[in-house]
Amino acid sequence: AQKITQTQPGMFVQEKEAVTLDCTYDTSDPSYGLFWYKQPSSGEMIFLIYQGSYDQQNATEGRYSLNFQKARKSANLVISASQLGDSAMYFCAMRVVMDSNYQLIWGAGTKLIIKP
Amino acid sequence: DTAVSQTPKYLVTQMGNDKSIKCEQNLGHDTMYWYKQDSKKFLKIMFSYNNKELIINETVPNRFSPKSPDKAHLNLHINSLELGDSAVYFCASSQEPLTGPYNEKLFFGSGTQLSVL
Repeated sequence: AQKITQTQPGMFVQEKEAVTLDCTYDTSDPSYGLFWYKQPSSGEMIFLIYQGSYDQQNATEGRYSLNFQKARKSANLVISASQLGDSAMYFCAMRVVMDSNYQLIWGAGTKLIIKP
Repeated sequence: DTAVSQTPKYLVTQMGNDKSIKCEQNLGHDTMYWYKQDSKKFLKIMFSYNNKELIINETVPNRFSPKSPDKAHLNLHINSLELGDSAVYFCASSQEPLTGPYNEKLFFGSGTQLSVL
């Protein structure tokens, strides 16, 4: 079954520390993509970072990096030097083929709270 | 300019009523989506349209009917609202319908919080 698992329902982190949010996935499709989105308390969904299954290097976008370990089927999000504004829900998603269409399937999310 | 805008942001209504949520994108994207986010924050695709044609229709009650008058708009009409329809509904768009190994990220609207009393 194709599935995304985020095992951390919530995390507290001190401001300026680095944060790792876990994401593991399961798919038999050799071609897939992994996304991370942020949902602040205001409700909108904001794209953060993308990793393709064939990408040789880990993706980076500013303070965000994706620790992609293909053999372990994990795609953890790393946020360096956390800021108060990073407090939000974070969702991992995977692009897969379902019923002949490409779709995104989503993890349950991790609520991150940055402490001052 | 808001890329994906949906209205209203909040919708409070009685059981049995019919309501609509509107969505517009000004990104020139070909594909639009409706997602439902439940109280546990779980996101689930409902519908997807590509150039006004329905391409994904997940198992949702037929009380939910999407309508795409043009590729920039995808509205969601809900008949005979039930308590279990209470959720946040997100509209989203992407350049292409996620076909192939492309980085086709979704752009989301700000969500519509529907409360059925």
